[in-house]
Amino acid sequence: DAGVIQSPRHEVTEMGQEVTLRCKPISGHDYLFWYRQTMMRGLELLIYFNNNVPIDDSGMPEDRFSAKMPNASFSTLKIQPSEPRDSAVYFCASSLGIPTYEQYFGPGTRLTVT
Amino acid sequence: EDQVTQSPEALRLQEGESSSLNCSYTVSGLRGLFWYRQDPGKGPEFLFTLYSAGEEKEKERLKATLTKKESFLHITAPKPEDSATYLCAVQGWEGGATNKLIFGTGTLLAVQP
Repeated sequence: DAGVIQSPRHEVTEMGQEVTLRCKPISGHDYLFWYRQTMMRGLELLIYFNNNVPIDDSGMPEDRFSAKMPNASFSTLKIQPSEPRDSAVYFCASSLGIPTYEQYFGPGTRLTVT
Repeated sequence: EDQVTQSPEALRLQEGESSSLNCSYTVSGLRGLFWYRQDPGKGPEFLFTLYSAGEEKEKERLKATLTKKESFLHITAPKPEDSATYLCAVQGWEGGATNKLIFGTGTLLAVQP
């Protein structure tokens, strides 16, 4: 399996622009997670889906952030409008869930908002 | 609130010098404790899952152990290629089944030849 695939790997944008990050989970995994990693706050869970349904979005920082999972093989995280404080590395991860819960991470998208 | 604290923040070892990394946790019912390795510019890579106190798991030069309050990642005779950030995470019950992981901030390990 190719593992979790994320695109783009790097994104540089100006404040106020819309940013869309994409993720393809490992085939057969029914959980998908979006994380944000910064030096100050470490790795933080933003939202996760089970069978394409959002289960917990309590980590989404504000209404500027939204996530969708239209099918089992694709998810997006959108930031609109973007702000400099959104600069971070965004990871997508997937897992099988029961009986094992380990999550497998993608390579991440490094977002820089100027 | 579930919480994970890792120590030390950074550790520098000579090749062959064994040591341990610590992960202290507070969780409302432990469902699992996870160790990950993260190399610069990459996503975290899964290493181990521990489910109950007393459990141990090994992989090459790494051994993870678990008590009711903390976990240790023991590194025996490390090599330069073991240099990475090691992350610990816990999964609790939070009043019901959840797949959320709470991560610590990691230990940056540097092994010098």
